Amino acid sequence: DQQVKQNSPSLSVQEGRISILNCDYTNSMFDYFLWYKKYPAEGPTFLISISSIKDKNEDGRFTVFLNKSAKHLSLHIVPSQPGDSAVYFCAAKLQGGSEKLVFGKGTKLTVNP
Amino acid sequence: NAGVMQNPRHLVRRRGQEARLRCSPMKGHSHVYWYRQLPEEGLKFMVYLQKENIIDESGMPKERFSAEFPKEGPSILRIQQVVRGDSAAYFCASSPLGADRSIQYFGAGTRLSVL
Repeated sequence: DQQVKQNSPSLSVQEGRISILNCDYTNSMFDYFLWYKKYPAEGPTFLISISSIKDKNEDGRFTVFLNKSAKHLSLHIVPSQPGDSAVYFCAAKLQGGSEKLVFGKGTKLTVNP
Repeated sequence: NAGVMQNPRHLVRRRGQEARLRCSPMKGHSHVYWYRQLPEEGLKFMVYLQKENIIDESGMPKERFSAEFPKEGPSILRIQQVVRGDSAAYFCASSPLGADRSIQYFGAGTRLSVL
């Protein structure tokens, strides 16, 4: 069963506009969420994270929003740049469990010049 | 500060052979994780190790797969008698002790192809 879901396999935006990537989860025991970016033939690169005690975390052009009641988080990238084109993975960690991460299937973002 | 190092980057094996994947964590990191990614899928957790200890192997197949992280040297993921279904990208990640341990840093992966 898919505990972390990224329902949009792909997203295309214009350079300079906002990119919004979405992620839903089913397990209310997740207490920490992360976003990773992945280029082809490379490993995932950590972008930004958020604890379940917060509803927003910002780092430069990247902001993550967490809505616990809806079990939903989103990653906003503004302004989007062509170099942001990659696959973005949402991941979650269980409270009190081992440190293993549960990943979504990813969303491929294309930023057009 | 070197990142997580994995080797080899590409590994080709015939059915029935053994595959050994190596991972050196980032300097100062004592936690190592292995994940597997099939085409068009997300990463799936396999095993979590600290030095000389397996902490969580709930994602690892019970047969043919094993992992270790010895006191000295890299972590090794070993797949015995490989089958075509083992073809995938295998990623290693590491994290430090303490409050930042929830952030895992990944290597570039080993792409295993089984002929």
